[in-house]
Amino acid sequence: GAGVSQSPSNKVTEKGKDVELRCDPISGHTALYWYRQSLGQGLEFLIYFQGNSAPDKSGLPSDRFSAERTGGSVSTLTIQRTQQEDSAVYLCASSLQSLTNTEAFFGQGTRLTVV
Amino acid sequence: KNQVEQSPQSLIILEGKNCTLQCNYTVSPFSNLRWYKQDTGRGPVSLTIMTFSENTKSNGRYTATLDADTKQSSLHITASQLSDSASYICVVSSLSGGYNKLIFGAGTRLAVHP
Repeated sequence: GAGVSQSPSNKVTEKGKDVELRCDPISGHTALYWYRQSLGQGLEFLIYFQGNSAPDKSGLPSDRFSAERTGGSVSTLTIQRTQQEDSAVYLCASSLQSLTNTEAFFGQGTRLTVV
Repeated sequence: KNQVEQSPQSLIILEGKNCTLQCNYTVSPFSNLRWYKQDTGRGPVSLTIMTFSENTKSNGRYTATLDADTKQSSLHITASQLSDSASYICVVSSLSGGYNKLIFGAGTRLAVHP
């Protein structure tokens, strides 16, 4: 597709279960970001991938959160042993991020509800 | 530490009124600054981009300013409409390792009431 695709669009899970969220960035975009947005709150940075460099994981809230990006394309955000406070919309963005082109394109997000 | 701070966190105005959103940053080196609009239930979309040499740029009823000396930007919305209700996110780009890394503000939630 032409845009950033995230799946699933909605996910309801029981507390304590593991979940995987997927992001398909725009083809050729070297940078990929994960953010989350709790109800009525602003964007909270989680992790940043840039090409083959080591990811910036400084925003991951706990060791229950991990993410990987395979082949420099698709990324998966995994949350283990989910808690109710993990409920939020998880947004993925990708960017070509050359020296002259820095626009980020966002997916529609995955709405995670932990019950 | 590279940071982008936005104020206010939220704002309510009446339809037809003007408003100004603020963005302060401590990002270095600075490449450019973008304002994004995020409608409810959708991902953010770029409104305007400001480079180091630009002070003011308009996009319809939206006018962005940049003061690179004080590291401040503002987004002014004129004659607000109900459809302006959204979150507005300031994103600063910084050159790092040959790439432009994006640093996002938390956003300002604007509600326009009739």
